[in-house]
Amino acid sequence: DAKTTQPNSMESNEEEPVHLPCNHSTISGTDYIHWYRQLPSQGPEYVIHGLTSNVNNRMASLAIAEDRKSSTLILHRATLRDAAVYYCILRDVKALVFGKGTRLSVIA
Amino acid sequence: EAQVTQNPRYLITVTGKKLTVTCSQNMNHEYMSWYRQDPGLGLRQIYYSMNVEVTDKGDVPEGYKVSRKEKRNFPLILESPSPNQTSLYFCASSYGDRANEQFFGPGTRLTVL
Repeated sequence: DAKTTQPNSMESNEEEPVHLPCNHSTISGTDYIHWYRQLPSQGPEYVIHGLTSNVNNRMASLAIAEDRKSSTLILHRATLRDAAVYYCILRDVKALVFGKGTRLSVIA
Repeated sequence: EAQVTQNPRYLITVTGKKLTVTCSQNMNHEYMSWYRQDPGLGLRQIYYSMNVEVTDKGDVPEGYKVSRKEKRNFPLILESPSPNQTSLYFCASSYGDRANEQFFGPGTRLTVL
């Protein structure tokens, strides 16, 4: 499985934008980049995914580097409810292979 | 409402007593999967199913069985539970293609004494 690398933790002030980076230098041409998050005491929750182009949805934006070796999840205005562990995943057809993710803390 | 449900949500049992954790989805998804989550080890896949009657092992299948007789249900069976199967279990489902998001259930916290 292709691997991803994320910082262990990040901190943000409430209502500020947050940029969560992910490196995936061994990505193959058909790998989709998925982001999930896990809030405390809940199951993982889908955030966004993309293949080559930048993507936007109601939760976040995903910026994908031109060479696809890295991507950035952008939360435009962090709220306290966004405090969670964020996982960057290159989805295999069989499974989501979760790494350790980035623990995001949001400060009021 | 589109959802994945799991039952029970919490279970305390004893070593060797067979148990089943049920998982059901109402989205007509082909793909279903079971994960376990343990502190320091993250989420690991136990078994998955690409469609009815098609199941395969994930990364940590030992001690577990699954079946997929109907599209909506994917039960996880522990024939003889042991304390090292104490964990938080999540069921997930999606359409089959890797481009699609997975929907996760709320989790089942299992304790084996």
